[in-house]
Amino acid sequence: ETGVTQSPTHLIKTRGQQVTLRCSSQSGHNTVSWYQQALGQGPQFIFQYYREEENGRGNFPPRFSGLQFPNYSSELNVNALELDDSALYLCASSLGPSGGQDEQFFGPGTRLTVL
Amino acid sequence: DAKTTQPNSMESNEEEPVHLPCNHSTISGTDYIHWYRQLPSQGPEYVIHGLTSNVNNRMASLAIAEDRKSSTLILHRATLRDAAVYYCILRANAGGTSYGKLTFGQGTILTVHP
Repeated sequence: ETGVTQSPTHLIKTRGQQVTLRCSSQSGHNTVSWYQQALGQGPQFIFQYYREEENGRGNFPPRFSGLQFPNYSSELNVNALELDDSALYLCASSLGPSGGQDEQFFGPGTRLTVL
Repeated sequence: DAKTTQPNSMESNEEEPVHLPCNHSTISGTDYIHWYRQLPSQGPEYVIHGLTSNVNNRMASLAIAEDRKSSTLILHRATLRDAAVYYCILRANAGGTSYGKLTFGQGTILTVHP
């Protein structure tokens, strides 16, 4: 059984560009969540996908969008990159639904730097 | 979301017990108390969760106050590998849906001395 994997590990972009980050969920998990973690801060919830549908979103603008595929892998897309988008982007997968008890399994993250 | 309050940092010596406190005075009756930790350069890792009763697993114990307004994560014998940021998080019981939002605060930075 493989854990949650993310690619790429590191990425450097310039302001205004677009970026796609990828996540492979743990085997059997149908729910994936994305988080943004700025340096020295706790992770902030971006959105969650359950069976290919977005079913929850945090306080992030529409230029942050996502997809979940039939195999439950996922993408996070960020358009019109801004300097403040520089952060560690974390993906977490879980079994759902569970009513608040599900354990979320996090990947190692993608470090995005926007210049 | 109900808010949690944790000390910014704590220190411990290796092989000694560690008690990490968390206050959550506005917790609702159906909120679960979850703990995650984040080791340096890694994603967060689930530690334990509970509702009303104390809980034990291979990693830690969770002691929940009778009024549920506070809880304590207990590491029975700290090791150097336990040095991490520990987050106390309240999870709403979302009924039949898995709205998996975790609301992380600043957490407690645990330093373990050899």
